Amino acid sequence: AQSVTQLGSHVSVSEGALVLLRCNYSSSVPPYLFWYVQYPNQGLQLLLKYTSAATLVKGINGFEAEFKKSETSFHLTKPSAHMSDAAEYFCAVSDNTDKLIFGTGTRLQVFP
Amino acid sequence: DSGVTQTPKHLITATGQRVTLRCSPRSGDLSVYWYQQSLDQGLQFLIQYYNGEERAKGNILERFSAQQFPDLHSELNLSSLELGDSALYFCASSPRGGRYEQFFGPGTRLTVL
Repeated sequence: AQSVTQLGSHVSVSEGALVLLRCNYSSSVPPYLFWYVQYPNQGLQLLLKYTSAATLVKGINGFEAEFKKSETSFHLTKPSAHMSDAAEYFCAVSDNTDKLIFGTGTRLQVFP
Repeated sequence: DSGVTQTPKHLITATGQRVTLRCSPRSGDLSVYWYQQSLDQGLQFLIQYYNGEERAKGNILERFSAQQFPDLHSELNLSSLELGDSALYFCASSPRGGRYEQFFGPGTRLTVL
């Protein structure tokens, strides 16, 4: 069965600092992996996705993630945090029945 | 704006009542998914429809049901509501079956008093 673990329910960074949000997955089939962002009182917006093409995936708003099969990881990074990046971030894996299985989320705080 | 619309945005009701949440997928998308987001359970998949047919079921209670109509909009019916059903309910759509990204609506916040 597929599952996702997000390490760290809260991450705080200073504006301009590196953002690193961790995601590890477990999948019995080649994984399709996604990062979604949820701003307060809004729905989920797709940041980026991995679907077995390039292992380094670039997304919107300067975010990127690297698929590492040996580590079963799909960590999300951004070189320089902006105040507007403050939100909740969800890693998800798609199982072979199409549904998304989400991690518990990481709340990112950005301090000036 | 994802192109997925959900109504109503907020719903406040009492225990024991029944409500209907509505979702219109993006134009051309055949698959509709329903998810529940709550503080204790996180984001959980409820049910998927593809072109009018139920495709997959997740942690959906027997008190809950859904359907997808010929125009591809979907409704989630919640009955005999309990306090614990208070949550954000999201609808998502994708172009077809298969493991494609899903586009989420803004959600319906249900409060059961």
